Amino acid sequence: QVQLQESGPGLVKPSGTLSLSCAVSDGSIRTTNWWSWVRQPPGGGLEWIGQISHGGDTDYSPSLKSRVSISIDQSKNQFSLKLNSVTAADTAVYFCARNSGRSIGYWGQGTLVTVSS
Amino acid sequence: QSALTQPASVSGSPGQSITISCTGTSSDVGGYNYVSWYQQHPGKAPKVIIYDVNNRPSGVSNRFSGSKSGNTASLAISGLQAEDEADYYCSSYTSSNTYVFGTGTKVTVL
Repeated sequence: QVQLQESGPGLVKPSGTLSLSCAVSDGSIRTTNWWSWVRQPPGGGLEWIGQISHGGDTDYSPSLKSRVSISIDQSKNQFSLKLNSVTAADTAVYFCARNSGRSIGYWGQGTLVTVSS
Repeated sequence: QSALTQPASVSGSPGQSITISCTGTSSDVGGYNYVSWYQQHPGKAPKVIIYDVNNRPSGVSNRFSGSKSGNTASLAISGLQAEDEADYYCSSYTSSNTYVFGTGTKVTVL
């Protein structure tokens, strides 16, 4: 089954840009699938950030829409997240995932990103 | 969009049954049969246990079941076991082609 692995800096300065990538283990990134990012602050609940289709169509959480961008690179078997103008409130474990229909069927292990100077 | 409302905690003794509610609006839970439930153990990624209101993925115990009435979805766990102690989150597709999670429920097995 597909495996997903997040990568990127674990520490980002306030007002900077958080950038993460998600490596997809199989070729499913080129087929009919949607790919999501979800985050979870320490001790908090899950928050859906957004999704991208294999063709590059995107949808974003209304609360983050002005600061977030998700892209896909089929040649590299990966998709990416950028969140700009970060504050301490953006400190969280960030999960990449593959949708299964209207649910999230496969999750990465998650990566902690801390926003601090 | 606001997070779906779940009770903060639910507890039960081994062998008992418990139910977790998930309340949204007509723009999410009430408007679509696309409610999912996720189980998350500490330090682990969430795992889908129910999708499309009442469907279980392959390999998920039939002790887990889902239902929906109006703007409220529910997850029932029967024959409660120690391994069921975890956090549970509901999620729903919304009218904006986005998703929203619930506030989360901590299940404690007494």
